[in-house]
Amino acid sequence: AQSVTQPDIHITVSEGASLELRCNYSYGATPYLFWYVQSPGQGLQLLLKYFSGDTLVQGIKGFEAEFKRSQSSFNLRKPSVHWSDAAEYFCAVAKSGGYQKVTFGTGTKLQVIP
Amino acid sequence: KAGVTQTPRYLIKTRGQQVTLSCSPISGHRSVSWYQQTPGQGLQFLFEYFSETQRNKGNFPGRFSGRQFSNSRSEMNVSTLELGDSALYLCASVAGTATSTDTQYFGPGTRLTVL
Repeated sequence: AQSVTQPDIHITVSEGASLELRCNYSYGATPYLFWYVQSPGQGLQLLLKYFSGDTLVQGIKGFEAEFKRSQSSFNLRKPSVHWSDAAEYFCAVAKSGGYQKVTFGTGTKLQVIP
Repeated sequence: KAGVTQTPRYLIKTRGQQVTLSCSPISGHRSVSWYQQTPGQGLQFLFEYFSETQRNKGNFPGRFSGRQFSNSRSEMNVSTLELGDSALYLCASVAGTATSTDTQYFGPGTRLTVL
């Protein structure tokens, strides 16, 4: 069965600093990988997705993620964090074939301090 | 184009009652998925429908059921509510075929509180 691990429950960064959120997955074949963001009281918004091809994926709001098969990782990065990035971030994996059954990680809460 | 809409946004029920939640996907989207989000269990997949057929189901008891109509609107039903069913229920839709790689869009959710 597929699974996702986000080892950091909570991260605090200063505004303007760089950010990296970690995600490790477990899946037997080539996975579909996603990063979502959720603001308090809101639904989820897709930041970026990886299905195949270039392992460095660009997303919205200046985020990027890199798929590393050898490490079973799909870490999310942003070079300079803005206060509006404070939210909860979820990594997710789905079996090849799209969105038929998506498994989410437990999330990482990002706090941004001035 | 309107986004995914969910009704109602908030709901309070008592134990033993049943509840029906509704989801209207983005126009043209044929796949609808449901998720339960709780502080303890996080985001868990409930089920996914495509063209009125349930293609996948998560590990939830039979009290949780759903259906999809010909216009792609979907409902989920929870019977004999338990306190542990209190959660944010999220619906998501995506266009395309069974192997869609399109973006999945989430609705704002329905906050269910069971007393």
